[in-house]
Amino acid sequence: DQQVKQNSPSLSVQEGRISILNCDYTNSMFDYFLWYKKYPAEGPTFLISISSIKDKNEDGRFTVFLNKSAKHLSLHIVPSQPGDSAVYFCAASPPDNNNDMRFGAGTRLTVKP
Amino acid sequence: DTGVSQNPRHKITKRGQNVTFRCDPISEHNRLYWYRQTLGQGPEFLTYFQNEAQLEKSRLLSDRFSAERPKGSFSTLEIQRTEQGDSAMYLCACRRGHGATNEKLFFGSGTQLSVL
Repeated sequence: DQQVKQNSPSLSVQEGRISILNCDYTNSMFDYFLWYKKYPAEGPTFLISISSIKDKNEDGRFTVFLNKSAKHLSLHIVPSQPGDSAVYFCAASPPDNNNDMRFGAGTRLTVKP
Repeated sequence: DTGVSQNPRHKITKRGQNVTFRCDPISEHNRLYWYRQTLGQGPEFLTYFQNEAQLEKSRLLSDRFSAERPKGSFSTLEIQRTEQGDSAMYLCACRRGHGATNEKLFFGSGTQLSVL
C-alpha cells in the first residue's frame, strides 16, 4: 500500500520561477514529514522537514507547507536554480516508530536556464 | 558526503550467484537501515538495526536476503541465489537514535545491483 504519494513524476520550471512539488499521505498517524533530494548515482540527501505541530517551515529558498486536514504537504523552491534539478522524495513517519519512514515515488524537477 | 559509505557502488552478477554489500555508517549513529529503490519508486524499507540487534524486517526481505551488523558498526546485506527481480539500488541509511524522535536519515550513495 502506498501511504505516501507523489502524483507528479516530473516537473519542469524556468530558472528564477517558483517550483512547487506536492505530496499526499493517507496515514493520519504520520507526524513527521521530510523532503529528500537525489542526484543521479547518489543517495538521497535531506533537504527540509516539518513536524505536525507546524504548518510551515522555511529554510532559505525552500519552504515546506503542511495541511494536516487535507493530508497534503508541498515543497516550494523560490527562486529555482538549475542546480535544483534532481529527484525530490517526500517522506513521512509515525510517532515513536521512526523505523517505518515511508517514501513517495519521487518527482523529477528540471529547472531550465 | 553524508558520512555513510557503501561498497561496492556497482555490482553486476549472473542470476543464481550470491552477492554481499557493505555499509559503514556514521560512527556515533546506532540505528542502521537498509532500503531498496527501483526505477520510478521511492526507497522501500528492508530492515533495521539498533546497534547489533536486527529489530525489524520488511516482508520484502525474502529468505534469500540476510543482513548483519556484528559489532554494531558496519553492516552487510547478502542476497543468495540472486534473481533478475533483485536488480535495484540498495541504500543504507543511519541515524543517531538514543531515544530521540523525529530524526532525519543519512543515506549512503547506494549499491546498484544488476542481475543478468
